[in-house]
Amino acid sequence: DQQVKQNSPSLSVQEGRISILNCDYTNSMFDYFLWYKKYPAEGPTFLISISSIKDKNEDGRFTVFLNKSAKHLSLHIVPSQPGDSAVYFCAATSPYNNNDMRFGAGTRLTVKP
Amino acid sequence: NAGVTQTPKFQVLKTGQSMTLQCAQDMNHEYMSWYRQDPGMGLRLIHYSVGAGITDQGEVPNGYNVSRSTTEDFPLRLLSAAPSQTSVYFCASSPRATEQYFGPGTRLTVT
Repeated sequence: DQQVKQNSPSLSVQEGRISILNCDYTNSMFDYFLWYKKYPAEGPTFLISISSIKDKNEDGRFTVFLNKSAKHLSLHIVPSQPGDSAVYFCAATSPYNNNDMRFGAGTRLTVKP
Repeated sequence: NAGVTQTPKFQVLKTGQSMTLQCAQDMNHEYMSWYRQDPGMGLRLIHYSVGAGITDQGEVPNGYNVSRSTTEDFPLRLLSAAPSQTSVYFCASSPRATEQYFGPGTRLTVT
């Protein structure tokens, strides 16, 4: 039962353009969402998060948007850089058990120079 | 400050063998967890701990045991390895459950 879904296994964009990575969730109890970035042969690293009381959170080139009614969030990277090429995981937790973090399957982003 | 360390990096086991994956952190984090990553599945939580002496099951705990005798260490034990446990295993720690710091992973193959 995949409660967090990333339906695009891969995305390719040109350097300098916007990258938009999407994530959908089914559990309406989720109230905190995170994005992690993973390079090959390394562990994931935390990128940005958003609480359900907000609809947008920005950190430099990275912005996460949350649409609670659609149970959808997205990560925007502007401008995209070749060093952003990695696998991006969306994750979510609920207040009933914020120790139980559910991850999506990941989207592999390739930024072409 | 080494962060989260995991040993070994690679391991090959035969079906039925047991082994322990080691995880240690030097950030004095209370929360530690183990995940497995499989193609098309993302990361799935196996077990977690909210402090020394306290552990609980995650989404996929069967076939694995954990203990937390110190704040620093959180070993994962495979009792009787099965081919279905072939995966990449990540340990993570954090001061709370969110925004976790992950180790580099252990790639396990069970034949």
